[in-house]
Amino acid sequence: DGGITQSPKYLFRKEGQNVTLSCEQNLNHDAMYWYRQDPGQGLRLIYYSQIVNDFQKGDIAEGYSVSREKKESFPLTVTSAQKNPTAFYLCASSIDRGGTDTQYFGPGTRLTVL
Amino acid sequence: GNSVTQMEGPVTLSEEAFLTINCTYTATGYPSLFWYVQYPGEGLQLLLKATKADDKGSNKGFEATYRKETTSFHLEKGSVQVSDSAVYFCALNSNTNAGKSTFGDGTTLTVKP
Repeated sequence: DGGITQSPKYLFRKEGQNVTLSCEQNLNHDAMYWYRQDPGQGLRLIYYSQIVNDFQKGDIAEGYSVSREKKESFPLTVTSAQKNPTAFYLCASSIDRGGTDTQYFGPGTRLTVL
Repeated sequence: GNSVTQMEGPVTLSEEAFLTINCTYTATGYPSLFWYVQYPGEGLQLLLKATKADDKGSNKGFEATYRKETTSFHLEKGSVQVSDSAVYFCALNSNTNAGKSTFGDGTTLTVKP
């Protein structure tokens, strides 16, 4: 079955540590996105990529980094510079580079900083 | 810039009640409009969408009509079920804001038996 997988589902991190969240898709989509969701709030865009080896900052990119070396993979690193990283992280992809098409979401990773 | 404003929640209804969740938007260009649903602990999934003015999106008894004159895309369902309890997000994509979707803050719906 085609879809988006995120791992792990739950992740715990000590303060001062970097951590990488995985996102893989087998939908052959060009565009991929990372969002952050805090309780009772909407989604905020962290980074997005419309093509391999290229990505753009979203609205809250500070303290995060990404790479897009393969079409199917878009890992997100939460660095120690991110002051409040505890949140639910969602990865998404879409077929349309212009961003006008449906986004398909993974199941999410819940990150907790201890 | 683009923005989406959703009716604030939470919304609590009895089973078989009528549901309306309001959504209005501000956008440049010709946006596509979406409703996504999120069940507890999961990612979002598309509920319905409309890509041009006067289009009606529908799925699983839910409907929404793209009203350009009122810049609205209100979600409706005639008879809700307990299984409809979830968070609903209105969103837009605009071809003038490539790669960026704009989401509302979400509306939590609880349906009681």
